[in-house]
Amino acid sequence: GAVVSQHPSWVICKSGTSVKIECRSLDFQATTMFWYRQFPKQSLMLMATSNEGSKATYEQGVEKDKFLINHASLTLSTLTVTSAHPEDSSFYICSARDQGTSYNEQFFGPGTRLTVL
Amino acid sequence: DAKTTQPPSMDCAEGRAANLPCNHSTISGNEYVYWYRQIHSQGPQYIIHGLKNNETNEMASLIITEDRKSSTLILPHATLRDTAVYYCIVRVGNTGNQFYFGTGTSLTVIP
Repeated sequence: GAVVSQHPSWVICKSGTSVKIECRSLDFQATTMFWYRQFPKQSLMLMATSNEGSKATYEQGVEKDKFLINHASLTLSTLTVTSAHPEDSSFYICSARDQGTSYNEQFFGPGTRLTVL
Repeated sequence: DAKTTQPPSMDCAEGRAANLPCNHSTISGNEYVYWYRQIHSQGPQYIIHGLKNNETNEMASLIITEDRKSSTLILPHATLRDTAVYYCIVRVGNTGNQFYFGTGTSLTVIP
């Protein structure tokens, strides 16, 4: 299947700093990408839908000013956690929709583990 | 999207078939059933999906009841590498809408 990459795979930062996570579709174009967050021993929680060339759509309860999403090209979406705090420590996963398939399958990235000290 | 109900955990002996149930009693006519799995600290992996007919691929089989209110994912010969959390998700059509994950079933394959 298609490949989605994330960078970095893990990051440790100090409280108050901002962290940018990249999500790339390597062999297909994705007008829509999705960002999820997963806390230990919990399920994935959808944070936002990222649309190429337009503003992201955030799920209820997710602060758009804290989690900045940019989807500037058909193969790249970025999530910036601004002024990160320890409670933002989590596993962040993106997925991309492959419009080339007959059923718009979603492919997930390997995830980025963020630890805020 | 409809909600799904799955048992929190299951065990299966290596080499035997693993049958993972999912209830989706409020599913509507245009909602598909998708199955993904997540191995520890990795991104979810697509397994299979279907609308109303049973489906089979190289990984698994999906059996959907006639009333579509429940389904079963079958891993025909479970291996240790199949140990993972399995998520059953229902989603409208093939539009590429968002996935909302439930709690899933943690499958442990026992040697």
